[in-house]
Amino acid sequence: AQSVAQPEDQVNVAEGNPLTVKCTYSVSGNPYLFWYVQYPNRGLQFLLKYITGDNLVKGSYGFEAEFNKSQTSFHLKKPSALVSDSALYFCAVRDSGGYQKVTFGTGTKLQVIP
Amino acid sequence: KAGVTQTPRYLIKTRGQQVTLSCSPISGHRSVSWYQQTPGQGLQFLFEYFSETQRNKGNFPGRFSGRQFSNSRSEMNVSTLELGDSALYLCASSAGLAGGGETQYFGPGTRLLVL
Repeated sequence: AQSVAQPEDQVNVAEGNPLTVKCTYSVSGNPYLFWYVQYPNRGLQFLLKYITGDNLVKGSYGFEAEFNKSQTSFHLKKPSALVSDSALYFCAVRDSGGYQKVTFGTGTKLQVIP
Repeated sequence: KAGVTQTPRYLIKTRGQQVTLSCSPISGHRSVSWYQQTPGQGLQFLFEYFSETQRNKGNFPGRFSGRQFSNSRSEMNVSTLELGDSALYLCASSAGLAGGGETQYFGPGTRLLVL
Protein backbone atom coordinates (compact mmCIF):
# COMPACT_ATOMS: atom_id res chain seq x y z
CA ALA A 1 0.00 0.00 0.00
CA GLN A 2 1.18 3.52 -0.70
CA SER A 3 1.39 6.24 1.92
CA VAL A 4 2.51 9.82 2.45
CA ALA A 5 3.75 11.45 5.63
CA GLN A 6 3.91 15.15 6.34
CA PRO A 7 5.56 15.17 9.76
CA GLU A 8 4.83 18.79 10.63
CA ASP A 9 1.29 19.99 11.21
CA GLN A 10 2.49 23.59 11.07
CA VAL A 11 5.59 25.41 9.89
CA ASN A 12 6.30 29.01 10.89
CA VAL A 13 8.79 31.09 8.94
CA ALA A 14 9.64 34.77 8.83
CA GLU A 15 8.92 36.67 5.64
CA GLY A 16 11.98 36.70 3.39
CA ASN A 17 13.48 33.57 4.93
CA PRO A 18 13.69 30.26 3.06
CA LEU A 19 10.97 27.74 3.75
CA THR A 20 10.80 23.96 3.67
CA VAL A 21 7.73 21.77 3.98
CA LYS A 22 8.62 18.12 4.44
CA CYS A 23 7.13 15.07 2.76
CA THR A 24 8.13 11.41 2.75
CA TYR A 25 6.39 8.65 0.87
CA SER A 26 6.13 4.90 0.48
CA VAL A 27 5.17 3.05 -2.70
CA SER A 28 5.94 -0.39 -4.02
CA GLY A 29 7.00 0.85 -7.45
CA ASN A 30 8.22 4.17 -8.75
CA PRO A 31 6.36 7.22 -7.48
CA TYR A 32 4.55 10.07 -9.08
CA LEU A 33 4.73 12.91 -6.55
CA PHE A 34 2.67 16.08 -6.31
CA TRP A 35 2.37 19.21 -4.22
CA TYR A 36 -0.86 21.15 -3.89
CA VAL A 37 -1.77 24.29 -1.95
CA GLN A 38 -5.12 25.14 -0.43
CA TYR A 39 -6.22 28.62 0.59
CA PRO A 40 -9.12 29.07 3.03
CA ASN A 41 -12.49 28.01 1.63
CA ARG A 42 -10.93 27.03 -1.69
CA GLY A 43 -10.14 23.84 -3.52
CA LEU A 44 -6.61 22.58 -4.02
CA GLN A 45 -4.30 24.27 -6.51
CA PHE A 46 -1.52 22.37 -8.25
CA LEU A 47 2.03 23.57 -7.51
CA LEU A 48 4.38 21.02 -9.06
CA LYS A 49 4.99 17.34 -9.72
CA TYR A 50 7.73 14.81 -10.20
CA ILE A 51 7.18 12.14 -12.83
CA THR A 52 10.66 11.24 -14.03
CA GLY A 53 13.92 12.88 -14.98
CA ASP A 54 15.57 15.77 -13.13
CA ASN A 55 15.27 15.38 -9.38
CA LEU A 56 14.78 19.12 -8.89
CA VAL A 57 11.35 20.21 -9.98
CA LYS A 58 10.32 23.84 -10.33
CA GLY A 59 6.73 24.89 -10.05
CA SER A 60 4.36 27.79 -9.62
CA TYR A 61 4.91 30.89 -7.47
CA GLY A 62 8.66 30.24 -7.07
CA PHE A 63 8.28 26.88 -5.35
CA GLU A 64 10.50 23.91 -6.05
CA ALA A 65 10.88 20.40 -4.71
CA GLU A 66 13.63 17.83 -4.74
CA PHE A 67 12.98 14.17 -5.29
CA ASN A 68 15.30 12.00 -3.19
CA LYS A 69 14.81 8.34 -3.95
CA SER A 70 17.18 7.00 -1.29
CA GLN A 71 15.42 8.99 1.44
CA THR A 72 11.98 8.58 -0.16
CA SER A 73 11.41 12.30 0.28
CA PHE A 74 9.96 15.10 -1.77
CA HIS A 75 10.37 18.28 0.29
CA LEU A 76 8.85 21.54 -0.91
CA LYS A 77 11.07 24.60 -0.80
CA LYS A 78 11.10 28.29 -1.59
CA PRO A 79 14.12 30.59 -1.27
CA SER A 80 12.22 33.59 0.13
CA ALA A 81 8.83 33.26 1.81
CA LEU A 82 6.00 35.73 1.27
CA VAL A 83 3.12 36.43 3.63
CA SER A 84 0.81 35.41 0.78
CA ASP A 85 2.36 31.91 0.85
CA SER A 86 0.52 31.26 4.12
CA ALA A 87 -1.80 28.35 3.34
CA LEU A 88 -2.28 24.61 3.74
CA TYR A 89 0.10 22.45 1.71
CA PHE A 90 -0.53 18.87 0.67
CA CYS A 91 1.89 16.30 -0.65
CA ALA A 92 0.47 13.42 -2.70
CA VAL A 93 1.78 10.21 -4.23
CA ARG A 94 0.63 7.79 -6.88
CA ASP A 95 2.33 4.50 -7.64
CA SER A 96 3.38 4.43 -11.28
CA GLY A 97 2.50 0.73 -11.56
CA GLY A 98 -0.96 0.44 -13.02
CA TYR A 99 -3.59 3.05 -12.45
CA GLN A 100 -3.54 3.48 -8.68
CA LYS A 101 -5.41 6.00 -6.60
CA VAL A 102 -3.72 9.19 -5.40
CA THR A 103 -2.90 9.27 -1.70
CA PHE A 104 -2.60 12.61 0.07
CA GLY A 105 -0.73 13.56 3.19
CA THR A 106 -2.54 15.16 6.10
CA GLY A 107 -1.35 18.62 5.16
CA THR A 108 1.04 21.18 6.64
CA LYS A 109 -0.10 24.65 7.55
CA LEU A 110 2.47 27.22 6.55
CA GLN A 111 2.42 30.49 8.46
CA VAL A 112 4.66 33.25 7.12
CA ILE A 113 5.20 35.92 9.75
CA PRO A 114 5.64 39.54 8.57
CA LYS B 1 -10.93 26.76 -20.31
CA ALA B 2 -13.47 26.77 -17.54
CA GLY B 3 -12.32 25.05 -14.39
CA VAL B 4 -13.93 22.25 -12.43
CA THR B 5 -17.33 23.22 -11.11
CA GLN B 6 -19.17 21.69 -8.19
CA THR B 7 -22.76 22.17 -7.14
CA PRO B 8 -24.10 22.98 -4.70
CA ARG B 9 -21.38 24.83 -2.82
CA TYR B 10 -23.06 24.49 0.55
CA LEU B 11 -25.56 22.02 1.85
CA ILE B 12 -27.25 21.39 5.18
CA LYS B 13 -28.96 18.07 5.78
CA THR B 14 -30.22 16.11 8.74
CA ARG B 15 -29.23 12.63 9.83
CA GLY B 16 -30.83 9.87 7.82
CA GLN B 17 -31.35 11.96 4.71
CA GLN B 18 -29.52 11.41 1.47
CA VAL B 19 -27.61 13.87 -0.66
CA THR B 20 -26.36 14.12 -4.23
CA LEU B 21 -23.37 16.24 -5.19
CA SER B 22 -22.45 17.14 -8.74
CA CYS B 23 -19.14 17.76 -10.47
CA SER B 24 -18.48 19.04 -13.98
CA PRO B 25 -14.88 18.42 -15.08
CA ILE B 26 -12.73 20.54 -17.31
CA SER B 27 -13.77 20.18 -20.92
CA GLY B 28 -12.00 17.19 -22.50
CA HIS B 29 -11.15 15.55 -19.20
CA ARG B 30 -12.45 12.03 -18.82
CA SER B 31 -11.35 11.17 -15.28
CA VAL B 32 -13.13 12.42 -12.17
CA SER B 33 -12.04 11.66 -8.62
CA TRP B 34 -13.86 12.45 -5.39
CA TYR B 35 -12.30 13.18 -2.01
CA GLN B 36 -13.62 13.84 1.46
CA GLN B 37 -11.73 16.46 3.46
CA THR B 38 -12.12 16.76 7.22
CA PRO B 39 -9.88 18.55 9.74
CA GLY B 40 -8.91 15.35 11.47
CA GLN B 41 -8.47 13.00 8.51
CA GLY B 42 -7.14 15.24 5.75
CA LEU B 43 -8.09 14.21 2.21
CA GLN B 44 -9.56 10.75 1.93
CA PHE B 45 -10.03 9.20 -1.50
CA LEU B 46 -13.60 8.13 -2.26
CA PHE B 47 -13.56 6.91 -5.85
CA GLU B 48 -12.38 7.62 -9.37
CA TYR B 49 -14.36 7.35 -12.57
CA PHE B 50 -13.02 7.17 -16.10
CA SER B 51 -15.25 6.95 -19.14
CA GLU B 52 -18.29 6.07 -17.01
CA THR B 53 -16.48 3.22 -15.23
CA GLN B 54 -15.29 3.19 -11.65
CA ARG B 55 -11.54 2.72 -11.84
CA ASN B 56 -10.62 2.97 -8.17
CA LYS B 57 -12.46 2.93 -4.88
CA GLY B 58 -11.45 4.06 -1.42
CA ASN B 59 -12.33 2.58 1.94
CA PHE B 60 -15.73 4.09 2.50
CA PRO B 61 -18.97 2.30 3.35
CA GLY B 62 -21.49 1.42 0.68
CA ARG B 63 -23.57 4.47 1.64
CA PHE B 64 -21.17 6.41 -0.55
CA SER B 65 -21.70 5.84 -4.24
CA GLY B 66 -20.98 7.61 -7.47
CA ARG B 67 -21.47 7.57 -11.16
CA GLN B 68 -20.22 9.25 -14.28
CA PHE B 69 -22.22 10.23 -17.31
CA SER B 70 -21.27 10.09 -20.97
CA ASN B 71 -20.36 13.80 -20.92
CA SER B 72 -17.90 13.05 -18.05
CA ARG B 73 -19.98 14.88 -15.47
CA SER B 74 -20.07 12.98 -12.23
CA GLU B 75 -22.32 12.70 -9.23
CA MET B 76 -21.76 11.24 -5.83
CA ASN B 77 -24.50 10.17 -3.49
CA VAL B 78 -24.46 9.63 0.23
CA SER B 79 -27.43 7.80 1.68
CA THR B 80 -28.52 7.64 5.31
CA LEU B 81 -26.39 10.58 6.34
CA GLU B 82 -24.48 10.48 9.61
CA LEU B 83 -23.04 13.36 11.62
CA GLY B 84 -19.55 12.19 10.68
CA ASP B 85 -20.28 12.77 7.01
CA SER B 86 -19.98 16.51 7.58
CA ALA B 87 -17.03 17.50 5.44
CA LEU B 88 -15.79 19.32 2.39
CA TYR B 89 -16.25 17.11 -0.65
CA LEU B 90 -13.78 17.81 -3.41
CA CYS B 91 -13.92 16.75 -7.00
CA ALA B 92 -10.83 16.60 -9.22
CA SER B 93 -10.60 16.09 -12.94
CA SER B 94 -7.79 14.97 -15.21
CA ALA B 95 -7.41 13.85 -18.77
CA GLY B 96 -7.17 10.25 -17.62
CA LEU B 97 -4.83 9.00 -20.30
CA ALA B 98 -1.24 9.62 -19.21
CA GLY B 99 -0.66 6.56 -17.05
CA GLY B 100 -1.20 8.20 -13.71
CA GLY B 101 1.34 10.98 -13.78
CA GLU B 102 -1.01 13.67 -14.95
CA THR B 103 -2.19 16.59 -12.88
CA GLN B 104 -5.53 16.61 -11.12
CA TYR B 105 -7.44 19.90 -11.13
CA PHE B 106 -9.71 20.50 -8.20
CA GLY B 107 -13.06 22.18 -7.91
CA PRO B 108 -13.94 24.54 -5.04
CA GLY B 109 -15.74 21.79 -3.15
CA THR B 110 -19.15 21.25 -1.63
CA ARG B 111 -19.34 21.84 2.09
CA LEU B 112 -21.84 19.44 3.65
CA LEU B 113 -23.13 19.93 7.16
CA VAL B 114 -25.17 17.11 8.70
CA LEU B 115 -27.28 18.07 11.72
